[in-house]
Amino acid sequence: KAGVTQTPRYLIKTRGQQVTLSCSPISGHRSVSWYQQTPGQGLQFLFEYFSETQRNKGNFPGRFSGRQFSNSRSEMNVSTLELGDSALYLCASSPRDRGVNYGYTFGSGTRLTVV
Amino acid sequence: AQSVSQHNHHVILSEAASLELGCNYSYGGTVNLFWYVQYPGQHLQLLLKYFSGDPLVKGIKGFEAEFIKSKFSFNLRKPSVQWSDTAEYFCAVMDSNYQLIWGAGTKLIIKP
Repeated sequence: KAGVTQTPRYLIKTRGQQVTLSCSPISGHRSVSWYQQTPGQGLQFLFEYFSETQRNKGNFPGRFSGRQFSNSRSEMNVSTLELGDSALYLCASSPRDRGVNYGYTFGSGTRLTVV
Repeated sequence: AQSVSQHNHHVILSEAASLELGCNYSYGGTVNLFWYVQYPGQHLQLLLKYFSGDPLVKGIKGFEAEFIKSKFSFNLRKPSVQWSDTAEYFCAVMDSNYQLIWGAGTKLIIKP
């Protein structure tokens, strides 16, 4: 059974640009969550989708957005990139809405560097 | 808001030593509790989870954790560590908004 797949693995972007990251959940998982991991702030929740609906949103500016498609694949977009957006972006999937009583399986992440 | 505290940022142990990593969260109510591990260069993996029932939870690779509600704690234990346990360990709590709130992580180094 394939795990959570995130593409691309690495990205280098320039300040002011925008970026789109992709996540394919485990087959059968309908919940997808996104996290930002940085050395200074640790792991922080971005948002969660279940059946194409955003169920939850963390405390990030509106430049961060996401969506989920009917096949449960998800994308997140960051517009007007800032240097502080450099981070490892992690996607996690769960068969349950909000991962309740199950938890999440994580992908390997996309390493975004903003220069 | 819920917060999670992991007491030790770095722990160094010799092989065969016993391990206990502390995790405390800020308030009670119904909580889902998790320990994840991140081996060097790898993705986060679930070690164990607690939702309800027996407060002593057994996970993979010989790890266990005990949920003590009165102390708001969910400490991770292993009786005898191996060099391959070198990794970063994260405690996480699902809050009432169903968000995973993470501790800062503990980097564990096992000396062979």
